[in-house]
Amino acid sequence: SQQGEEDPQALSIQEGENATMNCSYKTSINNLQWYRQNSGRGLVHLILIRSNEREKHSGRLRVTLDTSKKSSSLLITASRAADTASYFCATDDGGYQKVTFGTGTKLQVIP
Amino acid sequence: GAGVSQSPRYKVAKRGQDVALRCDPISGHVSLFWYQQALGQGPEFLTYFQNEAQLDKSGLPSDRFFAERPEGSVSTLKIQRTQQEDSAVYLCASSLGPIQETQYFGPGTRLLVL
Repeated sequence: SQQGEEDPQALSIQEGENATMNCSYKTSINNLQWYRQNSGRGLVHLILIRSNEREKHSGRLRVTLDTSKKSSSLLITASRAADTASYFCATDDGGYQKVTFGTGTKLQVIP
Repeated sequence: GAGVSQSPRYKVAKRGQDVALRCDPISGHVSLFWYQQALGQGPEFLTYFQNEAQLDKSGLPSDRFFAERPEGSVSTLKIQRTQQEDSAVYLCASSLGPIQETQYFGPGTRLLVL
């Protein structure tokens, strides 16, 4: 079963705009990760945020985590056509890294 | 070095047929995971290996699904007597260590059961 739910399910923006997608999860977590999946391809790890962190940056990516609300957001700034993909959050509760993926947000960046 | 590879990339099977899906993890990676991804959904965990030991198979949907990693490197996911609901993309991932490491995913095998 899916642990997380992403919101929105689909998002279409113009190149250069910012894209924000949200993830809500149900149980306590150790880490939360965001992955990108291009059509027909495997998943690529983007960023990991630990449960004791509130915000993390990597290039054009900014992730926030609110454990009290059991939610996270991924912000992609200055989007590019190449950012077109599905984005998934994934949570783990510690141990051997078993992660549970959300339902995904399908992002389309229009050139 | 090379990333995670999976073969075949596409497989069409008749209902009732047995299939075997192969995963070649990154060399030296201790952990190996199998996931099933239905169309429009996120990947769902199937099973986990640490070296050759299958430590968690709680996600395998039925006893028709079987996975092995006999020498702690290459892994095979076998599905017996395939059903239409088995149609999905099967993803393999590996990571260097056993605890809290980034998982590297293969391109997946797209299985279609007719």
